[in-house]
Amino acid sequence: GQNIDQPTEMTATEGAIVQINCTYQTSGFNGLFWYQQHAGEAPTFLSYNVLDGLEEKGRFSSFLSRSKGYSYLLLKELQMKDSASYLCAVSGGFSGGYNKLIFGAGTRLAVHP
Amino acid sequence: DSGVTQTPKHLITATGQRVTLRCSPRSGDLSVYWYQQSLDQGLQFLIQYYNGEERAKGNILERFSAQQFPDLHSELNLSSLELGDSALYFCASSVDVRGTEAFFGQGTRLTVV
Repeated sequence: GQNIDQPTEMTATEGAIVQINCTYQTSGFNGLFWYQQHAGEAPTFLSYNVLDGLEEKGRFSSFLSRSKGYSYLLLKELQMKDSASYLCAVSGGFSGGYNKLIFGAGTRLAVHP
Repeated sequence: DSGVTQTPKHLITATGQRVTLRCSPRSGDLSVYWYQQSLDQGLQFLIQYYNGEERAKGNILERFSAQQFPDLHSELNLSSLELGDSALYFCASSVDVRGTEAFFGQGTRLTVV
């Protein structure tokens, strides 16, 4: 099965900062992606990491540690519209084949006033 | 608009029937992915094509099949439909198979009654 783990749900307050973690196991690695998905809509790309370190993009930042199989997405200055599911996805080798783009189950974030 | 087009947007059909979902990738993208997303579930990887050839397979049922045509559009065929096949089916495309951002279509919502 898939080897990507992330928390199922998180809550946070408007204006605050939240960190969503993701751990993964693959036999090969071509990059880690974060997507945002509102209910019933298509996932939209947020960030991409292939090397260790932090990538910053406005209010969103993503970190990767390949040796630990670990990433996090950091959302700053939370807004109500940030309430959505956040999907961690890994491009790489998984059981049964290589070069798959596999998604975690997603973390449902609820932002409260 | 991601540039990925999926048709139809909605489909209602009876158990035992067969349907075909269509996906046109972004201009220039050679790789097409198909995902299934049941209610409140994560994206389940079905299959991936690159330039007309199957490159990776997920937990795709034998009742399901797909292909990518010379013009790079792809079709997902679902046969002997069951109630449990009701889901959102997403197509995504990317430039190649390794570690590049995938762009998602708006999905086809399939309801089997």
